[in-house]
Formats: sequence, structure tokens, C-alpha cells
Amino acid sequence: ETGVTQTPRHLVMGMTNKKSLKCEQHLGHNAMYWYKQSAKKPLELMFVYSLEERVENNSVPSRFSPECPNSSHLFLHLHTLQPEDSALYLCASSQDAGIRYGYTFGSGTRLTVV
Amino acid sequence: TQLLEQSPQFLSIQEGENLTVYCNSSSVFSSLQWYRQEPGEGPVLLVTVVTGGEVKKLKRLTFQFGDARKDSSLHITAAQPGDTGLYLCAGDPSGTYKYIFGTGTRLKVLA
Repeated sequence: ETGVTQTPRHLVMGMTNKKSLKCEQHLGHNAMYWYKQSAKKPLELMFVYSLEERVENNSVPSRFSPECPNSSHLFLHLHTLQPEDSALYLCASSQDAGIRYGYTFGSGTRLTVV
Repeated sequence: TQLLEQSPQFLSIQEGENLTVYCNSSSVFSSLQWYRQEPGEGPVLLVTVVTGGEVKKLKRLTFQFGDARKDSSLHITAAQPGDTGLYLCAGDPSGTYKYIFGTGTRLKVLA
């Protein structure tokens, strides 16, 4: 496999559930990102990991918890979400933590909170 | 708050027509990128521009970075249905990873 792979593609969860989103990149990149894409809003940067260290937490509620066990994998753990958290969650990677190198995005996980 | 405003928000045109999409800000960006996102997929990088006044061409797509590095445009010649998608600009205002995405232009090219 090549590129950035996200699983699952679709997720429906209740507000009391706990679930995790997974992202895997096979590009040898050392920076990984979580973005949220909601209707009628620009992409919102949530978390940035560079060399497996979290370097950015963009005022994201604690019900979202990222984990980066190695440079190829990134998780987003979800618990007690709200309906307004329904969105497309995109994972991306880059050669270094800087947009100049370009981001490779996964296909996203479409999350619906009921 | 730094914002990247894109215009138009929506555009529906016939195959073969030309179009221009704009990305504007009051901030200076050290680099700017354009992405295209198709339904059900993540954005795909089209181009990166880093020098004020820079023009880059990718087949029928022409990208320009403003002289002051505050704005950019994307021009598509002879649009095709395959050009349909959401076009996003993204700017790096400080030379770090703290960049922002534009509001997006949703393009539909009708056959």
C-alpha cells in the first residue's frame, strides 16, 4: 500500500460511545496531522505530530485524544462526542512539519454522532 | 484572525469554458498551495508557490502568486467534467506548520 490510509471510512457513534480513528502512512514522512472538515467551514487543524511528538494542539476539546505511537501511525481516540462533532476527519502527512513540502491527505473518516 | 477568502464560493460552467478562482488575504504568506478535493476523498495537492509574482502551469491549470504574497489565483482553460471538485488554497503565514486553509470554491463542470 502507498499513500495515507484512514480507517474506518464511515463511523456512526452514540454520544456515550468510545471509538478510535486510525491513520497509516507509507511515505516515510515524519509529520502527521489531524484535520476536521465541516460543512461551510474551512478545514480546521486539530493536532500536529512531528517526529512522534505533539507540537500543536489547536484548542481541541479533550473529548478528542490523539496518539502517535510511531512515525507511520496516528490515532484519534473519541469519547463522549457531541452531535456538532459530526464531520469529515482527515489525516495528512508531510516530509517535515511545514506546508512548503505539501501534504498528502487520506480519504477521511466520515463521522456521524447521534 | 488570519483568513483566506476564496471566490467565488460556487461555480457551475459548461465544458470548454475558462474560469478563474481567487484566494485573498490581508496577511503575507511565505508559501501558498492549491488542492483539489473530490467527493468522498481527501484534498490532493496541485501546486506550491513560494515567490511573489510566480506563475506555474500544470496542463490546463495556471497558478499565480501575487507580487505581495497576499493573494493567488487559479485559472483553468477549457474546463472539463474531470475538473469538478472543491478547490482549496492553503497558506503558511509564518514559515511554520501554523498555516490555514481557504474557504473553498466548489466547481462543477457540465458536459
